[in-house]
Amino acid sequence: AQKITQTQPGMFVQEKEAVTLDCTYDTSDQSYGLFWYKQPSSGEMIFLIYQGSYDEQNATEGRYSLNFQKARKSANLVISASQLGDSAMYFCAMREGRGGTSYGKLTFGQGTILTVHP
Amino acid sequence: NAGVTQTPKFRILKIGQSMTLQCTQDMNHNYMYWYRQDPGMGLKLIYYSVGAGITDKGEVPNGYNVSRSTTEDFPLRLELAAPSQTSVYFCASRPTGLSHQPQHFGDGTRLSIL
Repeated sequence: AQKITQTQPGMFVQEKEAVTLDCTYDTSDQSYGLFWYKQPSSGEMIFLIYQGSYDEQNATEGRYSLNFQKARKSANLVISASQLGDSAMYFCAMREGRGGTSYGKLTFGQGTILTVHP
Repeated sequence: NAGVTQTPKFRILKIGQSMTLQCTQDMNHNYMYWYRQDPGMGLKLIYYSVGAGITDKGEVPNGYNVSRSTTEDFPLRLELAAPSQTSVYFCASRPTGLSHQPQHFGDGTRLSIL
């Protein structure tokens, strides 16, 4: 079974609009972390936002926020006020267990390609 | 700050050749990782290391070897290159503990095996 599922191969959004990228995960651990990375066409991996399983508040970082629904095992990324530079591949990743026991290993989803239209 | 540096950026190999992908980091991170990314796919863990002299297999280790003689360097060796190893390879590092800390990635090595 897939541990991280990103069901949207591609998404389109109009500039200045908000967009939600879906991520569901599967784990039996009580302690885990969820990360979102951006991969522009140039290929580098850029960290965006982190949500810990015990965090009570949804994570936010500038225009990025995470809609974390623990019972549904979903951690959707919300990008507000989309910009042309947001066009990229977006990956959801999970670290199972605490950082010390899992050694920080990540399992990645297959990614969602976001295209922002002017 | 250099961060995680990977060399080379691009390489074409013939089937059966071998090569070493270099990775070095200057952040004094104990944890280091090698991933591969096939076209249109997510990253898959090949090997990881929790410190000098300690390495372990990830999800897709077959056909690869690693070593970690120093904190800074974590080279990935391909022996007997096969077309199935055509991929983009990423090296990453992160500090010990601190669960919220993300992995820091190098810019990747694009490898084609013909």
